[in-house]
Formats: sequence, C-alpha cells, structure tokens
Amino acid sequence: DAKTTQPNSMESNEEEPVHLPCNHSTISGTDYIHWYRQLPSQGPEYVIHGLTSNVNNRMASLAIAEDRKSSTLILHRATLRDAAVYYCIVGRGGADGLTFGKGTHLIIQP
Amino acid sequence: NAGVTQTPKFQVLKTGQSMTLQCAQDMNHEYMSWYRQDPGMGLRLIHYSVGAGITDQGEVPNGYNVSRSTTEDFPLRLLSAAPSQTSVYFCASIGQGQNIQYFGAGTRLSVL
Repeated sequence: DAKTTQPNSMESNEEEPVHLPCNHSTISGTDYIHWYRQLPSQGPEYVIHGLTSNVNNRMASLAIAEDRKSSTLILHRATLRDAAVYYCIVGRGGADGLTFGKGTHLIIQP
Repeated sequence: NAGVTQTPKFQVLKTGQSMTLQCAQDMNHEYMSWYRQDPGMGLRLIHYSVGAGITDQGEVPNGYNVSRSTTEDFPLRLLSAAPSQTSVYFCASIGQGQNIQYFGAGTRLSVL
C-alpha cells in the first residue's frame, strides 16, 4: 500500500464543517482511497472510499484531487459523536488488508 | 444482524500460556483478517484468509496461528504468549468484490 501523510490532530467546533486532509503522492492507478474512523475503545468503522471522482454518502464527502495525490474528507456538520481517530488509507482494499497509519485525532469542541 | 463478533472482550494471560481468540461473522463474507493495535499506533495485519481452507501471513505473523474451516469462523491462536503480544486484537471481514472492511469490537489482551 502507498504511504499517506495526515496531521496528527485537528480541532473543530460542533455543528461546523470539518476538512481532514491526506497526502498520498505515491498512489498507484489502481489504488482506492479509503477513510475509516475509530471511536474510543471501538473497532475501526468504514466512512467512505473512492477511486477518482468525488464521493458522497450519508456520513461524509470525499474530495479527490485531479492528480489523485491528495484527498480531503469532509464532515459537513460535526457533532460530538464525530470525535475519533480518522485514518486515510490507499490500497486495493482486498483480503490482504489495509495499512493503517496513526491517523488524525479529531477533537470536537462543544 | 450481528456483523463481526469477537470473544472474549478482555483476557489476561501469563507468559507461556496459549489461548484462542474467536471471531465469527454472519454476513457470508469470503475474506477475513486479524489485526493487532498497539497503544497510539495504527493496525497491523497478522493473518488473513480468502476463503475456507485458505490462509496467508500478513505483516506480523510470528507467534500466531490461524485456520479457516468454515466461512463464518476465523480463530486466532497464540501458541506461547509473550509480553510483546499485549495488544488489542481486531478481526475484520470483507465481502468478495466489495471494498468495505467490517471490524469487530476487539479483544484486549494483556500478557504478564
């Protein structure tokens, strides 16, 4: 899997949008961009994934740069429940797993 | 729909003891994996399976054995526990042709 670079931590206010950046300059043409999050004392939870085009689902939006070397996870209206570690991962995502880095610790202030 | 179920949730072992961490999924997924997560770190892949009877090693397989006799179950065996195996263990499953991993709640293991 290609390496990703994320900020160690970010802070935002409740009910405001959050933009979580991720750099992945060595991404290959067949690698997907995956985002998972891990709430305290829980297993990772799928958030969103994409290949080339921007993606939206009920949890978040994923904006992918045209050259695919970076992406941004967008939480449109953060709640306290969104406080978690967010992992950006690039890879095929098959049975041989995904390489999880340290992620971004998102802190939400009330 | 229970998803991925891991047992036990907590376990304390003495050095040299053996034990099996259980993982079961009810989504009929072909692919299953075991990860470990050390404090402040990301997850590292231990072993994975692409179907019943087929397993392969991940990044950190030493000290662990797996088998896959059914689609539903993927147990992880610690042969002779060591303090370095103190960690949180997560099991995950993926449906064939899908791209989403479903994780269990984890087993917190301490080896004294």
